[in-house]
This record gives sequence, structure tokens and C-alpha cells, in this order.
Amino acid sequence: DTGVSQDPRHKITKRGQNVTFRCDPISEHNRLYWYRQTLGQGPEFLTYFQNEAQLEKSRLLSDRFSAERPKGSFSTLEIQRTEQGDSAMYLCASSLGGFGTEAFFGQGTRLTVV
Amino acid sequence: GQQLNQSPQSMFIQEGEDVSMNCTSSSIFNTWLWYKQDPGEGPVLLIALYKAGELTSNGRLTAQFGITRKDSFLNISASIPSDVGIYFCAGHTASGTYKYIFGTGTRLKVLA
Repeated sequence: DTGVSQDPRHKITKRGQNVTFRCDPISEHNRLYWYRQTLGQGPEFLTYFQNEAQLEKSRLLSDRFSAERPKGSFSTLEIQRTEQGDSAMYLCASSLGGFGTEAFFGQGTRLTVV
Repeated sequence: GQQLNQSPQSMFIQEGEDVSMNCTSSSIFNTWLWYKQDPGEGPVLLIALYKAGELTSNGRLTAQFGITRKDSFLNISASIPSDVGIYFCAGHTASGTYKYIFGTGTRLKVLA
């Protein structure tokens, strides 16, 4: 078991470009979460999936952001028309599900919009 | 977005000292998790708590789920230089959502 894997680790993009990040959760985990973290802050919830269903989205997830988990395994997070304010660490986590289970995080994708 | 309040925000301690930090919420929580994050890396899970009053240890770390279910505490005994990092609390509220809400973090610096 290699844990939660995120790709790429770093991404530099020009303002206005689209970017896509990938997350591979721990294989038996049915819940997958996306968080955003800016410097000096704790992770902020963006969205989560139960298998392939996207069950909750934060108001932080503007219409430029879209997340998918087509087969209930890996997930992608796409940001369209990137803005400098999108620069952050994007973290993915997975869990078995239920209230009594813990979430395990990947190493994150650091996005810099120039 | 909603975040938990952690205290202190940062602390410098001498190697070998014990450390205490806490996390408070205005809402009742069903689960408390404690993570450590190093620069440029994702958070690493340290301890998970599931019942009010529960006390759980992981090596030199001990955490407690507050009786009111609105707070949690983390203690690190005999700190060492590799304890440096940011410690986050996180948890599920009792409101029925499965998202984890995170604290504002406690930055720990250990002086050798």
C-alpha cells in the first residue's frame, strides 16, 4: 500500500490557463476529499466523494473548479481560467467512510499562478 | 470556511521539554484527529479520538477528546528537534456532514 498519491507535486501556470490535478486514494477507501491550503492556514474543505458520487461542495469551489471521480477510484480536480488567487497547495485525502474513520492525506500539489 | 481555534499559534521550546496545545470549537464534534505537517508536505495523521473523555497515546504523544466534545488536547513529552512542524487538529462535527474541519494550526519550534 503506497498511501494517497497526488500528481503533479508542483505546477506553475500562467494566469488564464487551465490545470488538472490527479489523486489516487488508498485502494480500499471509498471516500475521497479535496482541500486547499494557503500559506499559514489550515486546510480548507473543497469537496468530497463517496465512491463516484460528489456529495458535498464548499462555497470555495467556484464555477471555475470541477472535480470528478468517474469510477470511484482516482479523482481529478480541474481549475479553469486560473487566477493568481488560486495559488495554493491542493491536498487530497481518503478514508474508509463513516464518522469513526480517519483521513489520510497525499503529499499535495503546489500550484503557482504567475 | 469554518475552522477550529488552536492555541497557542506558535511556541518555542527547549529540547526535552513537554508541550501542550489545544483545539476548541463552538460546535460538538464526533471525531478528533491530530496531524503534523512539515513544509511542502501533506499532513500526517498522529492520533485519532472517537469518544468523549478518551485518552490515546502514540509514543511520546498523548491526546484527549474533551468531555464537552467541543475541545481536544495534544501533549508531546520530552520534545526532540524532529518534533518541529505545524500541528493541526481536525474533526467531524455532529451535524451530519462527513467533511473534516481543520484548526488554524500550532507551529512548534524546538531549540536544541
